Amino acid sequence: DIQMTQSPSSLSASVGDRVTISCRASQGISSYLNWYQQKPGRAPQLLIYAASSLQTGVPRRFGGSGSGTHFTLTISSLQPEDFATYYCQQSYGSPSTFGGGTKLEIK
Amino acid sequence: EVQLVESGGDLIQPGGSLRLSCAVSGITLSTYVMSWVRQAPGKGLEWVSTISKSASSTYADSVTGRFTISRDSSKNTLYLQMNSLRVDDTAVYFCSKIYFYGSGDYKYYFESWGQGTLVTVSS
Repeated sequence: DIQMTQSPSSLSASVGDRVTISCRASQGISSYLNWYQQKPGRAPQLLIYAASSLQTGVPRRFGGSGSGTHFTLTISSLQPEDFATYYCQQSYGSPSTFGGGTKLEIK
Repeated sequence: EVQLVESGGDLIQPGGSLRLSCAVSGITLSTYVMSWVRQAPGKGLEWVSTISKSASSTYADSVTGRFTISRDSSKNTLYLQMNSLRVDDTAVYFCSKIYFYGSGDYKYYFESWGQGTLVTVSS
């Protein structure tokens, strides 16, 4: 199975900060990488697909980049509603696998 | 608008069986690829099983031989039959609709999710 490793596992930041979350794959996955946001007690919601494509309705302060084995999710200016847990997911290998998550907390 | 509503979660003893349901509205279930994804308490997401449009199924190694995914087109409902349950099956189980954004098997994401149903396996 392809292992997905996210870093950091938790992050404290302030409203207005620029934040970057990393996701590394144990083998090359081209650009078949998706990002989700999950708030407590809620289902995950898709933010970014194909490494860098913004899902319809997602604010433009969210951006994704990378290919191969290293990917990043960037939030350009944190808003109060962005404090949540973020997961990457690869769709290249079977089974599909998720990263362990990055919990973004208010500083 | 697609709506997915899971049910059937419960407290069950190890070795027991449970069937989860996911009632789907807004789409014709049999024309989409659907999955179950689970999340153990305080943990990350784990793909469990997928059923294709042709009703072929795939499973995570951890549930192969114990879980069965199926659907009832007349009820537009997705199911997950879980047998020989173990303590480490304890999780919130989400059903999800998969969306393919291009040709090829790799170009997909989990587009729509239900609210989840909690399965607790404990003696």
